Amino acid sequence: SQQGEEDPQALSIQEGENATMNCSYKTSINNLQWYRQNSGRGLVHLILIRSNEREKHSGRLRVTLDTSKKSSSLLITASRAADTASYFCATPTGYAGNMLTFGGGTRLMVKP
Amino acid sequence: SAVISQKPSRDICQRGTSLTIQCQVDSQVTMMFWYRQQPGQSLTLIATANQGSEATYESGFVIDKFPISRPNLTFSTLTVSNMSPEDSSIYLCSVQEQGSNYGYTFGSGTRLTVV
Repeated sequence: SQQGEEDPQALSIQEGENATMNCSYKTSINNLQWYRQNSGRGLVHLILIRSNEREKHSGRLRVTLDTSKKSSSLLITASRAADTASYFCATPTGYAGNMLTFGGGTRLMVKP
Repeated sequence: SAVISQKPSRDICQRGTSLTIQCQVDSQVTMMFWYRQQPGQSLTLIATANQGSEATYESGFVIDKFPISRPNLTFSTLTVSNMSPEDSSIYLCSVQEQGSNYGYTFGSGTRLTVV
């Protein structure tokens, strides 16, 4: 079963606009991770936010985490056509916390 | 970070046959993970592969259908056996390098189509 739900499922924006994706999860977590997948290929790790962090930045990416609401958001600022991809949140689960459970993903299209 | 070489990148197979997918990591890792991504869906963990022991399968996945080998700390294979069109998916391997507070590295995926 999936740990997280993401919304929106699909998002289409113009180049230069900001894109915001949201993720909700169900259980307590140590961290939450965001990944990008281009055209059904392998996933690329974007950013990890720990449970004691509320916000984290990496280049044009900003991630927030609200553990009281069990939710996270990924903001991509000044989007580019190359940002077109699917974005997934994932949380470590399992008895040792070493397997990832993924959200449903957001398909982002950035129009040039 | 680790680099994973996964192959084949894609294949079209006849139903009833089997396909073995390989993942080679450029460093030693304790655990390797195999995921399935059905068309338009998110990733679902198939199994966790440890060197020297049998893989641990998630609910809904069985060893007879998805046998896994892990002969050493840098290599693993996943076989999709007796394939049917429902097995058409992207299969990905993954490793976690430095403990639970670091991200995971994924192979480039194998896009399998069963006809």
